[in-house]
Amino acid sequence: DAGITQSPRYKITETGRQVTLMCHQTWSHSYMFWYRQDLGHGLRLIYYSAAADITDKGEVPDGYVVSRSKTENFPLTLESATRSQTSVYFCASSEITGPGELFFGEGSRLTVL
Amino acid sequence: GQNIDQPTEMTATEGAIVQINCTYQTSGFNGLFWYQQHAGEAPTFLSYNVLDGLEEKGRFSSFLSRSKGYSYLLLKELQMKDSASYLCAVRDTGKLIFGQGTTLQVKP
Repeated sequence: DAGITQSPRYKITETGRQVTLMCHQTWSHSYMFWYRQDLGHGLRLIYYSAAADITDKGEVPDGYVVSRSKTENFPLTLESATRSQTSVYFCASSEITGPGELFFGEGSRLTVL
Repeated sequence: GQNIDQPTEMTATEGAIVQINCTYQTSGFNGLFWYQQHAGEAPTFLSYNVLDGLEEKGRFSSFLSRSKGYSYLLLKELQMKDSASYLCAVRDTGKLIFGQGTTLQVKP
């Protein structure tokens, strides 16, 4: 089915472990984004990508790594998870032309113990 | 720097009209978006303004004044299902920066 999918939807991990959240879109959108959402902070941009092999930092990039070797995939890696990274993570994509509204995945709820 | 401000919470009555304000100060501007987010769900696109003025879409309208760094979302004929968070976001070159969101509670 066309759309944007995230996996896993729920993840519990321990401090210090590496975690990768996957994001896949079937629209061939140029832009992809990772946000985190916490109570009191709204949606904060972690990283974004304008095209394959092009990534840029957002508002809160520390502790995260991204890559985009293919247009359709944009994985987010927490190299050494910390409790402060407990959050709901949303992946989104948008086209480069037109208004460029974001289409969001369903979110990945990550708990770091 | 980037700064996008919205009220944290609002309450309104079913059938009424509510206006949610958003002010912004960003280094670049390529459009302003409003999203709706129900609890436990992903945000969904509501409206987009890039030029000054009012954009109407059914019960929802959005207004933009670029010189004032100001936008509002107007919801008419409120329904219980409109209880949600409303997110204001500004596109700055390629990235979309969000405000903290306004949680709207619609009461019978």
